[in-house]
Amino acid sequence: DSGVTQTPKHLITATGQRVTLRCSPRSGDLSVYWYQQSLDQGLQFLIQYYNGEERAKGNILERFSAQQFPDLHSELNLSSLELGDSALYFCASSVDRSSYEQYFGPGTRLTVT
Amino acid sequence: AQRVTQPEKLLSVFKGAPVELKCNYSYSGSPELFWYVQYSRQRLQLLLRHISRESIKGFTADLNKGETSFHLKKPFAQEEDSAMYYCALSGFKAAGNKLTFGGGTRVLVKP
Repeated sequence: DSGVTQTPKHLITATGQRVTLRCSPRSGDLSVYWYQQSLDQGLQFLIQYYNGEERAKGNILERFSAQQFPDLHSELNLSSLELGDSALYFCASSVDRSSYEQYFGPGTRLTVT
Repeated sequence: AQRVTQPEKLLSVFKGAPVELKCNYSYSGSPELFWYVQYSRQRLQLLLRHISRESIKGFTADLNKGETSFHLKKPFAQEEDSAMYYCALSGFKAAGNKLTFGGGTRVLVKP
């Protein structure tokens, strides 16, 4: 167990809705990363936060946003959901902003119907 | 731009046979390369990283900068090696250290 937790495990919602995915990093880790894994796009980096601040941005849609709170947990908000947003969303954490070793959570499977 | 290519989507081998998973990358600087493994219904786990040059579970990988490759090898595959394997690259630290993943290779080790 890498210590990274994600809730919920599964989420089923309808198009047009908004959902929030939550991630708690390993104890002591300051950086949180979000990745999306889908059948057609594979594993893609969305965004990184370090100690509450956005550090790097990947292919994250404008309908998606994230934040990291003072207790270091992070939330990924997905709005105006489309069928194509159905995917597995992973959170990962690392010790600091430049550590290459990332530890992954179990993921949240989002199904948009 | 960073890019990782894993040309094989599926590799099927018999137990005890050698297995080699190919990974090629494109990056203009000096990358950090990794192999991650995802067993059925489990989270992604770091298998090895090129900088540590260690062998984990019998797997090794050598970074070949000339060929821009980081192939993963194991001389004798075991059934428990059946999993999804992802090659990943991380680049310039100042730009954040996101991982760029390849498409993954599913390894099936048959008894």
